[in-house]
Amino acid sequence: TQLLEQSPQFLSIQEGENLTVYCNSSSVFSSLQWYRQEPGEGPVLLVTVVTGGEVKKLKRLTFQFGDARKDSSLHITAAQPGDTGLYLCAGGSGNTGKLIFGQGTTLQVKP
Amino acid sequence: SAVISQKPSRDICQRGTSLTIQCQVDSQVTMMFWYRQQPGQSLTLIATANQGSEATYESGFVIDKFPISRPNLTFSTLTVSNMSPEDSSIYLCSVDPLLLGKGNTEAFFGQGTRLTVV
Repeated sequence: TQLLEQSPQFLSIQEGENLTVYCNSSSVFSSLQWYRQEPGEGPVLLVTVVTGGEVKKLKRLTFQFGDARKDSSLHITAAQPGDTGLYLCAGGSGNTGKLIFGQGTTLQVKP
Repeated sequence: SAVISQKPSRDICQRGTSLTIQCQVDSQVTMMFWYRQQPGQSLTLIATANQGSEATYESGFVIDKFPISRPNLTFSTLTVSNMSPEDSSIYLCSVDPLLLGKGNTEAFFGQGTRLTVV
């Protein structure tokens, strides 16, 4: 059974601080996605990484896929209150379309 | 991307009753999925809704409890049957419009249905 361990599960920081969220597995994934979910809404895709060692940037967010495609990280620079939400990593395997989600990280950025 | 409309957005139901959730997509998609998100938890895949055939259920989920229909490439329903308070969750429909043998998965989600069973 493939599992994704996401940490930390809860993070409360002050505006302007940096943070990193980790997503780890013992399994190899063909791709890994990061989603952000706000209350009352479905998850919204932030990025997909598919190549081992790949780094993608989305404004103040930096995503990295591990060389072995078993882990990923999300780094936020100078967090803002608008970054508050639930961040989810999800791994995809082959062509099934199925996603395995990590436990999620609830981020609270205080002004 | 794909625009996914899910309804109802929320409902409060009596135990023992059933609720059918609808998912409508603005374009034809091959893969549609139903997920459950229990309070304060992450998402768990319930089943893959297959067009023209029976849904494929994940371990721990059965057709009698969660019957699914997929009459065409833009629409699916999930029914939560004989509900109990433990079924109180957010139910989410998702699609992967890019999955056409490319090996990558990029899911798009509806806004979810928040179900409370009393």
